[in-house]
Amino acid sequence: QKEVEQNSGPLSVPEGAIASLNCTYSDRGSQSFFWYRQYSGKSPELIMSIYSNGDKEDGRFTAQLNKASQYVSLLIRDSQPSDSATYLCAVVKYNFNKFYFGSGTKLNVKP
Amino acid sequence: DAGITQSPRYKITETGRQVTLMCHQTWSHSYMFWYRQDLGHGLRLIYYSAAADITDKGEVPDGYVVSRSKTENFPLTLESATRSQTSVYFCASSRTGDTDGYTFGSGTRLTVV
Repeated sequence: QKEVEQNSGPLSVPEGAIASLNCTYSDRGSQSFFWYRQYSGKSPELIMSIYSNGDKEDGRFTAQLNKASQYVSLLIRDSQPSDSATYLCAVVKYNFNKFYFGSGTKLNVKP
Repeated sequence: DAGITQSPRYKITETGRQVTLMCHQTWSHSYMFWYRQDLGHGLRLIYYSAAADITDKGEVPDGYVVSRSKTENFPLTLESATRSQTSVYFCASSRTGDTDGYTFGSGTRLTVV
């Protein structure tokens, strides 16, 4: 069983719609959760972090965490073609060497 | 310039040669990491370092060597390159190692022929 699971996609949404990206993790001891965006041929860039159950909003992005169900999600409102990228979920356990990345979900936003 | 830089951006080398990938950060972050990214495997941790002179193995360390004599530098050496080491290599740094997340360098695309 992988530590972090993501649907590889691609997830296709029309411009202006809400894109919903999901991630599940296996270890209940996980403490910190991150979403990275990676454009093709580029390095991952951190877009959101969340540490507590509930929602965290930052502009058009909302991260949701449910530790009981062991899932993290990322909502992108008013999706734009520039949001087309691969989104990586990352989960941290109790120390830095237990920082696990999912394989990513490819998002396509169609004009 | 401030940030984390990797060099070279692209490298082609022959099987059996030694090659070193460089990573330099200007934030004085304690933690530094080397990942490789391959289709179907995502990001996999090769080595990490919690401070100068402290390094440890990650998930896929075989065939790689690291050193960290200075906080700002974390070179990765492939002692005898193999075709299976063809990949994109990312260096990352973090202030805390966990709660801050990582900042990645721009990557090195390595091809072993």
